[in-house]
Amino acid sequence: NAGVTQTPKFRILKIGQSMTLQCTQDMNHNYMYWYRQDPGMGLKLIYYSVGAGITDKGEVPNGYNVSRSTTEDFPLRLELAAPSQTSVYFCASRPHRTASTDTQYFGPGTRLTVL
Amino acid sequence: GQQLNQSPQSMFIQEGEDVSMNCTSSSIFNTWLWYKQDPGEGPVLLIALYKAGELTSNGRLTAQFGITRKDSFLNISASIPSDVGIYFCAGRDQGAQKLVFGQGTRLTINP
Repeated sequence: NAGVTQTPKFRILKIGQSMTLQCTQDMNHNYMYWYRQDPGMGLKLIYYSVGAGITDKGEVPNGYNVSRSTTEDFPLRLELAAPSQTSVYFCASRPHRTASTDTQYFGPGTRLTVL
Repeated sequence: GQQLNQSPQSMFIQEGEDVSMNCTSSSIFNTWLWYKQDPGEGPVLLIALYKAGELTSNGRLTAQFGITRKDSFLNISASIPSDVGIYFCAGRDQGAQKLVFGQGTRLTINP
């Protein structure tokens, strides 16, 4: 298994440009998450999905959109990039929750700079 | 919303020393998780705790789920250079789909 993969690793955008951050997992996990991590800070949840076709807002959803058409893919869309969206973005997944499978598996991250 | 306060924010220690860090919450959690993040990587799970009072070890790492369910502790014994990184705590409510993360403790080790 490759686990959780994210592309691209790095990206520089101009203000107002749009882009899609890709996330794919090959573990057949139901749950997927997008976080952003600002310098020196913890992770803040942007959006999450409990299964294909179902998405929900997290703590900081403004300026982002997501879709979940398949179990494997959970892309994050920025429509009008702003400097405040400069951050490192992490995708994560986990299996359907049982008593002992409460863990999330993280991708390597996408470092985005908006100038 | 729920908040986690993690302390200390940073630690500078000598190789071989023991390390202690903790996380406190404004509300009760049913699950506590501890992650480590290496530079340029995503967080990796170290220890998961599911019961109040639970004490769990993973090699030189030991974590405890506080009795009040509002706090958790992580100890690292006999630190080595590869322990360098940022350690995050995370908590989850019963039935909640989401984790709440602390701000992280940055560990630096002088050889």
